[in-house]
Amino acid sequence: DAGVIQSPRHEVTEMGQEVTLRCKPISGHNSLFWYRQTMMRGLELLIYFNNNVPIDDSGMPEDRFSAKMPNASFSTLKIQPSEPRDSAVYFCASSAGTPGEAQYFGPGTRLTVL
Amino acid sequence: GEDVEQSLFLSVREGDSSVINCTYTDSSSTYLYWYKQEPGAGLQLLTYIFSNMDMKQDQRLTVLLNKKDKHLSLRIADTQTGDSAIYFCAAVFSGTYKYIFGTGTRLKVLA
Repeated sequence: DAGVIQSPRHEVTEMGQEVTLRCKPISGHNSLFWYRQTMMRGLELLIYFNNNVPIDDSGMPEDRFSAKMPNASFSTLKIQPSEPRDSAVYFCASSAGTPGEAQYFGPGTRLTVL
Repeated sequence: GEDVEQSLFLSVREGDSSVINCTYTDSSSTYLYWYKQEPGAGLQLLTYIFSNMDMKQDQRLTVLLNKKDKHLSLRIADTQTGDSAIYFCAAVFSGTYKYIFGTGTRLKVLA
């Protein structure tokens, strides 16, 4: 299996622009997680999907952030409009779905907002 | 609330053993995980232990769990320069899907 796939790997954009990050989970996994990693705050869970349904989005920082999972093999995280403080590494992870199952992380997208 | 703590840095000489420590607050944790993050990469699952176990060994890795003290450790035998990375401890609490991650321990292996 190719593991969790994320694109793009790097994104540089200007403040106010829309940013879309993409994730393909491991085939057969039915849970998907979006995380943000910064030096100051460490790893933060943004949102969790189970069977394509958002279960917990309490970690989404603001209304500027939105996430979708239209099918079992694809998810997006959108920031609109982007701000410099959104600069971070964004990770997608997937798991087989029962509580406590191991999560497998993608390589991340490094976002820089100028 | 739920919390997981780790020391920030550890430095060892190549060939020595490394011991990375983690403490957690909630005794209802069911799974405890160790991840490794190399520069510019995602988190790689290293090993895990269930809360009904005291020890788990996997090649050079040994995980010890002291439930009474809520203390978890990861021992890396014969540490190599390729082991230099950040190591994260994560706890999953009973009935939840949510990982609580520690701040990560940066391991530096000196040649």
